[in-house]
Amino acid sequence: GAGVSQTPSNKVTEKGKYVELRCDPISGHTALYWYRQSLGQGPEFLIYFQGTGAADDSGLPNDRFFAVRPEGSVSTLKIQRTERGDSAVYLCASRAPGITGELFFGEGSRLTVL
Amino acid sequence: AQTVTQSQPEMSVQEAETVTLSCTYDTSESDYYLFWYKQPPSRQMILVIRQEAYKQQNATENRFSVNFQKAAKSFSLKISDSQLGDAAMYFCAYYRRSGGSNYKLTFGKGTLLTVNP
Repeated sequence: GAGVSQTPSNKVTEKGKYVELRCDPISGHTALYWYRQSLGQGPEFLIYFQGTGAADDSGLPNDRFFAVRPEGSVSTLKIQRTERGDSAVYLCASRAPGITGELFFGEGSRLTVL
Repeated sequence: AQTVTQSQPEMSVQEAETVTLSCTYDTSESDYYLFWYKQPPSRQMILVIRQEAYKQQNATENRFSVNFQKAAKSFSLKISDSQLGDAAMYFCAYYRRSGGSNYKLTFGKGTLLTVNP
């Protein structure tokens, strides 16, 4: 696609439920990032994929959070046993090969845990 | 660890005037990139301008320019001839360029810019 696509745009769930957020990066971009943005804050790094493997998952807050990218393209962020504190906008970004640094972002998935 | 600090939670400017947004960062690296991203209500982060640390010349993109002071670890954004469409949240970000596998972008907390007609 022309840009980074994230689905769903908005997700409302109940505390304790399981949630999946999907990211479809720009075609040909090998690097993919997940960030979490709480209200009034800057995006916080969660995990970074280079191809199919997670090169850096140091930002995942706990073991309820997990992300996969099985074929090196689409990625899914999975949150188990959701808590109210997980409510945030989850941003996905992709980067072209090379080290110019520019990340291209999607419009995010807003997660609300009731 | 790298940190990025934006000390101005909110700024306002009159249409057609000039405004400067501040950013400082902390790093022990010598080779890195710095960015300003804009986030309108649509939530999508849009790259405004990029500066390579090894370049002494300040980057410019049309009405947007930066004042990069490497020794002081300062990276401010100047918006000239402000337009209503410039109203958004602005984030300063740091990107480590070389070595290792840690190619993540670290963001500041943002500055909310209001443009008054």
